[in-house]
Amino acid sequence: EIVMTQSPATLSVSPGERATLSCRASQSVSSNLAWYQQKPGQAPRLLIYAASIRATGIPARFSGSGSGTEFTLTISSLQSEDFAVYYCQQYNNWPYAFGQGTKLEIK
Amino acid sequence: QVQLVESGGGVVQPGRSLRLSCAASGFIFSTYGMHWVRQAPGKGLEWVAAIWYDGSNKYYADSVKGRFTISRDNSKNTLYLQMNSLRAEDTTVYYCARGGVGASGPNDYWGQGTLVTVSS
Repeated sequence: EIVMTQSPATLSVSPGERATLSCRASQSVSSNLAWYQQKPGQAPRLLIYAASIRATGIPARFSGSGSGTEFTLTISSLQSEDFAVYYCQQYNNWPYAFGQGTKLEIK
Repeated sequence: QVQLVESGGGVVQPGRSLRLSCAASGFIFSTYGMHWVRQAPGKGLEWVAAIWYDGSNKYYADSVKGRFTISRDNSKNTLYLQMNSLRAEDTTVYYCARGGVGASGPNDYWGQGTLVTVSS
C-alpha cells in the first residue's frame, strides 16, 4: 500500500505571507492527489484534486502542483481563515491513503 | 445541495457490533462511489472503506478488513458501515464522504461525522 508523508508537521507563517506545504508518496500516484483543509470541529473540505485543479468555490490563492511522488500545496497570501490543518490524499490505488497532516499556524 | 448525514454512533463495548448509516441527498446517489473515513480525537484522517456506485466492488483499510463491511442501498440513498468485533482503537469520528462518479475519485463532499466510542 502507498504511504503518504507530509512535511513539515507544523508550519508557522504570518498573515499575508506565502505558505508551502509538501506531500510525498511512497510510489507514483500519477496526478491522483487531493488536498483537504480541516478546521477544528469541522469535516474536511476538498481544496485541490488531480494535483492542481481547485475544487468549486476555492479561492485562487490556493494552488497545487506536482505529479508522480512529489506534490506541493501553496497558499499565496495567507488569510486568517486559512490557519487550519491540511491533508494530502492519494486516490490512485486502493487502499486510499492520507498524509498525517500539516498544521498551519499563525506566526 | 449535496447533503450527507451520518447516524448510528454511540458507546459500545469491546467485541460488540454497531452499524452506521449515511443518508445522502442532493445528488444522484446511485452514480457515485462512497467512502467512510475516520478520525480519532486529536489525530489525522484515516481512510476506512469504499464502495462502487453499484456495490460491485468494495475496498477496505487493513486495520478494519475482516471486521467491517461497507454496503449501500441505492433505493434508499443510504450508505452503511457494519462494524463487528470492535476494539478500543476504533474509537473515532466516522465520516461519510462522496467519491467520484462510478468508482474512484477524491472525496468532494463530507458529512459532519458520527462519534463511536468503544469502551467497557
